[in-house]
Amino acid sequence: GESVGLHLPTLSVQEGDNSIINCAYSNSASDYFIWYKQESGKGPQFIIDIRSNMDKRQGQRVTVLLNKTVKHLSLQIAATQPGDSAVYFCAEMNRQGGAQKLVFGQGTRLTINP
Amino acid sequence: DAMVIQNPRYQVTQFGKPVTLSCSQTLNHNVMYWYQQKSSQAPKLLFHYYDKDFNNEADTPDNFQSRRPNTSFCFLDIRSPGLGDAAMYLCATSRGTSGRGRGSYNEQFFGPGTRLTVL
Repeated sequence: GESVGLHLPTLSVQEGDNSIINCAYSNSASDYFIWYKQESGKGPQFIIDIRSNMDKRQGQRVTVLLNKTVKHLSLQIAATQPGDSAVYFCAEMNRQGGAQKLVFGQGTRLTINP
Repeated sequence: DAMVIQNPRYQVTQFGKPVTLSCSQTLNHNVMYWYQQKSSQAPKLLFHYYDKDFNNEADTPDNFQSRRPNTSFCFLDIRSPGLGDAAMYLCATSRGTSGRGRGSYNEQFFGPGTRLTVL
């Protein structure tokens, strides 16, 4: 079946370093992907999204890369800060009528070491 | 200001005792979603409402029901909670995209979740 998954469950980086979180998806028809950040005890928070007609999108300190050939996307966080410590999920959007159903990947726990 | 509010934040119930979780929103969004998130797992969609139209995911157990009395409120009812239903329950909202066609996307806003413990 269709699935969205992550390569690594945990990632530790030094404060100030860059981090890369990876995600693989299997539905080649997916046209929209979103990265969410979830801190302990909170709901997922939107970080950045990308449409399938793009291969790169940049935000503030974050960049998402999409490789449709291998069905892979990644989230790059530059100059990591302690507040970046969280679980990061990629999500694939499936439309049903006017609703937008999210299929989440497994999640990667990012820890920023001081 | 909170836009998607979930009450209570923590709920303890006994095995088999019905429980209701609530969600309210101030965004006037016409779509509301309920997700289940078990420990160290990703959120999984249970069902959603598009206005008053209820849409159940195929693998959502019958034990889970939902009500949406008006645009602002949506409830998750668990008729007979089992130990396996202990989880974080997340409510989310979005504007619908009806008529806007492929390629449109409206952000989904999540509430803080209700953590359910089943004793």
